[in-house]
Amino acid sequence: QKEVEQNSGPLSVPEGAIASLNCTYSDRGSQSFFWYRQYSGKSPELIMFIYSNGDKEDGRFTAQLNKASQYVSLLIRDSQPSDSATYLCAVKRGNDMRFGAGTRLTVKP
Amino acid sequence: EAGVTQSPTHLIKTRGQQATLRCSPISGHTSVYWYQQALGLGLQFLLWYDEGEERNRGNFPPRFSGRQFPNYSSELNVNALELEDSALYLCASSLGQGLSYEQYFGPGTRLTVT
Repeated sequence: QKEVEQNSGPLSVPEGAIASLNCTYSDRGSQSFFWYRQYSGKSPELIMFIYSNGDKEDGRFTAQLNKASQYVSLLIRDSQPSDSATYLCAVKRGNDMRFGAGTRLTVKP
Repeated sequence: EAGVTQSPTHLIKTRGQQATLRCSPISGHTSVYWYQQALGLGLQFLLWYDEGEERNRGNFPPRFSGRQFPNYSSELNVNALELEDSALYLCASSLGQGLSYEQYFGPGTRLTVT
């Protein structure tokens, strides 16, 4: 079992729709959870992080965490073509951060 | 504030050679991480340095090594290069420990082994 699992996609949504990206992790001791966006040929950039169960909203982005189910998700509301990228889920325990392989999102105009 | 910088941007080597990649963290950051991202694959953790010491390493052979200098910059060395070492090598820096201390990534070094 991979430490951090993501559906590789591609996930395709129309412009203006909600994109839902999912991530599961195997280490129950994981403490904080991060979502990064990576455009093709570029380095990852942080979107947001969460470490408490529930929802955390930042603009069009909402992260959801369920530690009991070992599940974290990212919702992107009002998706824009500029959101087309690969989204990486990262799970941190102490100072050890592990990344999923990423989900490729395409937002079609 | 300057971000994480890496050099060189591109590096072409032949099998059996050695490659040296360099990283300068954000000012004030003491932790430096190295990742390998092969084409179509996720980020694979290589090494973590903090305060000049190697704190952890991923599941890579010993020919992947590195060090952190007193100014917190870091170097990744890959000896006896193999074709499968071709990848984007990303360096990230962090303030240190803490739940919310995220990692900031540099632009990467694209290593091609022929």
